[in-house]
Order: sequence, then structure tokens, then C-alpha cells
Amino acid sequence: AQKITQTQPGMFVQEKEAVTLDCTYDTSDPSYGLFWYKQPSSGEMIFLIYQGSYDQQNATEGRYSLNFQKARKSANLVISASQLGDSAMYFCAQVSYNQGGKLIFGQGTELSVKP
Amino acid sequence: DSGVTQTPKHLITATGQRVTLRCSPRSGDLSVYWYQQSLDQGLQFLIQYYNGEERAKGNILERFSAQQFPDLHSELNLSSLELGDSALYFCASSDASSPSGDTQYFGPGTRLTVL
Repeated sequence: AQKITQTQPGMFVQEKEAVTLDCTYDTSDPSYGLFWYKQPSSGEMIFLIYQGSYDQQNATEGRYSLNFQKARKSANLVISASQLGDSAMYFCAQVSYNQGGKLIFGQGTELSVKP
Repeated sequence: DSGVTQTPKHLITATGQRVTLRCSPRSGDLSVYWYQQSLDQGLQFLIQYYNGEERAKGNILERFSAQQFPDLHSELNLSSLELGDSALYFCASSDASSPSGDTQYFGPGTRLTVL
């Protein structure tokens, strides 16, 4: 069965520093995708970044990058130059394409950025 | 703004009642997904529709049902409501032809409170 594990319930980072949020996944499907979403206190879910299982390079989107280590089944999110507005819950999610399009989410990591 | 709209934003009702949550996907997206976010269960996939047809089902209760209409908007019906149904309900939509692996874009959610 698919499973996403985020082992850091909460993290603190100083403004302007980089931070890594951990995510490990478990699937036997060779074709899958990994996603990170941000949920601010207002509640909406904001898509940040996507990595496909066959992608050779790590995904990047502005200050976000995904450190994809396929053999270790990890998909860590790196946020560079943290900003106060980055304070939020961050969810890692996975879709296995041979099992439809449903997303399986981790429990989330609450990130707090200190000024 | 993701382009996905959900109404109402908040809903307060009593146990035993029935409610309908509405979702309009992003323009051109054929897939609609419903998720439930609660404190104890986290984010859980409920059901997916594609172009009017049910595509996948998650742990959706028999008291819950959904449909997608010809104009592609979707409704989630929750009946015989219980206290435990109080949660944030998200709708998401995706474009199957997207190069980024069918990324799901979330609406702002409907917060349901059952008293």
C-alpha cells in the first residue's frame, strides 16, 4: 500500500536561511509522482512542486527544490532563503499512476520562520 | 488563486441533516477530486470524477455521495451527518494532458461544522 511519511511535525528556521523538509514514500508502482503542497493558516492548499518517478533531474520552482533520491524513496523539499510568509504546514503527497489519480498525503510538517 | 471555486466557504449544521458542497473546476480541467481534512485522519481522498464519470473511490462513507455534471462542476452530498463529519472538505481539479503529471489544484475548501 502507498504510504507517505513526514517525520518532522514541526520545524523552525531563521529568516533568509535554507530549510529541508523530509518526506519518504512507499510504493511498488514504477510510475508515480511526488508533490509538495503548502497550507497557510488561512487553510487553502497551494501546489509548490512536482517530481515524476522517471524524471532524471531534481525539480525546481523558484526558491523551492525537490531533492529526489529514488533508491532511498525520499523526496525532500528544500526552501532556500526562507521568508516570513513561508510559515505554514507543508504536505508531501504521492500519486501512483497505475492506481488512478488519487493523492496520498503525509501528516505534514509545520514550518515556522523566525525574524 | 488556483482557479477552483468551492461554495459555501463555511457551513454549520446539526446532526442528522444533509448538506451539499459545490465545486467548479479550473477552466478546461476534466477531473475533479474530493478530499476530507480532519485533525484525526489528516487529508483523505474521497472520490474522483472524470468528465462526468466516477473514476476512483477512496474511503468514502455510504452516507456520502458525489456527482459531476455535464458542465463539469461537481457536488458532494453528505447525509445523516454526525459530529465526526466536521472537517475541511477540498475539491481539486486537474488536466490529464498536463506535462507536470496531472497536478491537482485545490479549491479554498468548505469548512463543515456539525453541532
